[in-house]
Amino acid sequence: SAVISQKPSRDICQRGTSLTIQCQVDSQVTMMFWYRQQPGQSLTLIATANQGSEATYESGFVIDKFPISRPNLTFSTLTVSNMSPEDSSIYLCSVDRTGIGNEQFFGPGTRLTVL
Amino acid sequence: DQQVKQNSPSLSVQEGRISILNCDYTNSMFDYFLWYKKYPAEGPTFLISISSIKDKNEDGRFTVFLNKSAKHLSLHIVPSQPGDSAVYFCAASEYGNKLVFGAGTILRVKS
Repeated sequence: SAVISQKPSRDICQRGTSLTIQCQVDSQVTMMFWYRQQPGQSLTLIATANQGSEATYESGFVIDKFPISRPNLTFSTLTVSNMSPEDSSIYLCSVDRTGIGNEQFFGPGTRLTVL
Repeated sequence: DQQVKQNSPSLSVQEGRISILNCDYTNSMFDYFLWYKKYPAEGPTFLISISSIKDKNEDGRFTVFLNKSAKHLSLHIVPSQPGDSAVYFCAASEYGNKLVFGAGTILRVKS
């Protein structure tokens, strides 16, 4: 497994502002993922972040709204831009150490509330 | 279109008995299936997985069964313990591509 930390663990933000969430892993990994879990719903993949290349976004998610950085093999950030109450969710990062995308280990999540 | 479905939002089981959590999928190209457990205020933790070339995988109290013809998998926990109370997510992937998650089932084990 991998030890994954996220900052902040929770935040309450005003509409129209932006929040950057950090994800730190205790070892180098190739693939990092960002998910969203809206209240009462399942985990939905936002994007895959690979070091040295642009993030790959899933349908329904765009870079302008969720810019992602991946400066090295142990760290990534997700920014939730121009927030609205609909962005209130738990945001989770995960890593895949197998290299084939099958078994992912998750961080503790960031609980975001937008007022 | 929900490719992975967990039709039971919740399940309540007596301590010591068997818990059976079910999951159905629609994409016949899925070749790897996983179960995750999630406690409140924590991220999901990997529990057990199974490849499509198998029909059963066992790890201690946890067993996952895969029925490819029915596109159905289940997680059996026996004996169930109060510490097993959590949300259980079923997930599937196709050739190592992204994981697709079900909506989760809340398991409550009563002592």
